[in-house]
Amino acid sequence: DIVMTHSPDSLAVSLGERATINCKSSQSVLYSSDNKNYVAWYQQKPGQPPKLLIYWASTRESGVPDRFSGSGSGTDFTLTISSLQAEDVAVYYCQQYYSTPPTFGQGTKVEIK
Amino acid sequence: QVHLVQSGAEVKKPGASVKLSCKTSGYNFNSYGITWVRQAPGQGLEWMGWINSYNGHTNYAQKLQGRVTMTTDTSTTTAYMELRSLRSDDTAVYYCAKLASTGNAFDIWGQGTVVTVSS
Repeated sequence: DIVMTHSPDSLAVSLGERATINCKSSQSVLYSSDNKNYVAWYQQKPGQPPKLLIYWASTRESGVPDRFSGSGSGTDFTLTISSLQAEDVAVYYCQQYYSTPPTFGQGTKVEIK
Repeated sequence: QVHLVQSGAEVKKPGASVKLSCKTSGYNFNSYGITWVRQAPGQGLEWMGWINSYNGHTNYAQKLQGRVTMTTDTSTTTAYMELRSLRSDDTAVYYCAKLASTGNAFDIWGQGTVVTVSS
């Protein structure tokens, strides 16, 4: 199974500041035939189901604010919140869907400083 | 608008079975698979398996093989997940989710069903 590892486990950021979450996969999730990275990012607020933010590592899901962006390729990926808002307090998970079983990272908890 | 609505909370004794439902609406049910993910209290997300809504083909997480069965009813556009021989560590919130048209990310999630296994 591909292991997805977040760093850090948690971070506290001031309102309006940038939040950066990293995710590393234990093997490449870049599919050579279509040159796509099979990585998604989800946001989970307390008591709610996860919400898809980003797929193909950098494509924003419809309706997701443009302060959320994804980047990276191969084994190293980043989710950036460019200007943290109060409603962004949540746990964020990366996921690979390159191979079965799809696997999630342990999550990064984002709080307000 | 796409919706996945899950059945209500369950309390079961160890060794029992539970069958959860996930009623879908707002899209062509046969065109997208359904996956199940669970989350133990205070823990992360664990993939359980998925089912092809068109032909019923399934793929289950290895650790659940033999205990889990996923099915669909195309007439009611509902997916089901049955878990048998329940143990205390099966206590979790269980989510169904729709597979996205772009690869196999999970784009729409149900609200979750709390399953508590306790003697």
